[in-house]
Amino acid sequence: DQQVKQNSPSLSVQEGRISILNCDYTNSMFDYFLWYKKYPAEGPTFLISISSIKDKNEDGRFTVFLNKSAKHLSLHIVPSQPGDSAVYFCAASDGGANNLFFGTGTRLTVIP
Amino acid sequence: DAGVIQSPRHEVTEMGQEVTLRCKPISGHNSLFWYRQTMMRGLELLIYFNNNVPIDDSGMPEDRFSAKMPNASFSTLKIQPSEPRDSAVYFCASSLWGGETQYFGPGTRLLVL
Repeated sequence: DQQVKQNSPSLSVQEGRISILNCDYTNSMFDYFLWYKKYPAEGPTFLISISSIKDKNEDGRFTVFLNKSAKHLSLHIVPSQPGDSAVYFCAASDGGANNLFFGTGTRLTVIP
Repeated sequence: DAGVIQSPRHEVTEMGQEVTLRCKPISGHNSLFWYRQTMMRGLELLIYFNNNVPIDDSGMPEDRFSAKMPNASFSTLKIQPSEPRDSAVYFCASSLWGGETQYFGPGTRLLVL
């Protein structure tokens, strides 16, 4: 059973517009959430994270929002750039790295 | 700075053969993770080492899979015998003290015919 779900396998956005990637989770014990970005033939790289005590964390063009009541996480990229085209994985932890659960990923394509 | 190094990058083998995947974590990191990525299930944790000791191997699919970490700079994931359903991309990652921010290697793409 997938405890972290990314229901959109792909997303296309025009350059300069906002990209919104969504993630839902089922385990209310999750207290730390991360987004990873993956380019072809490379491993995932850490992008941004958020603790459950916050509802927003911002880093440059990237903002992660957490809605605990809805068990929903989203990543906003503004403005989107062609170099952002990659697969984005959402991950969640319930207190230990060995309990890091990943979603199946969303492929973002930013069209120039 | 060298990141996590994995070898081989690609492996094609026949069913029944032994497969050994290798990983060198980032120097100074004391936690190492092996993941498997498939289309259906995404990234799944197979096993986790802390200070070279296996902490959680509950994700290892069956006895055909084994992992070792003989020292702080090297780990192997072995599949014996391999089966077509083992075809996937296998990632190794490392972190400091099991921190959630893990650094991934480029992966080994395994195809079992």
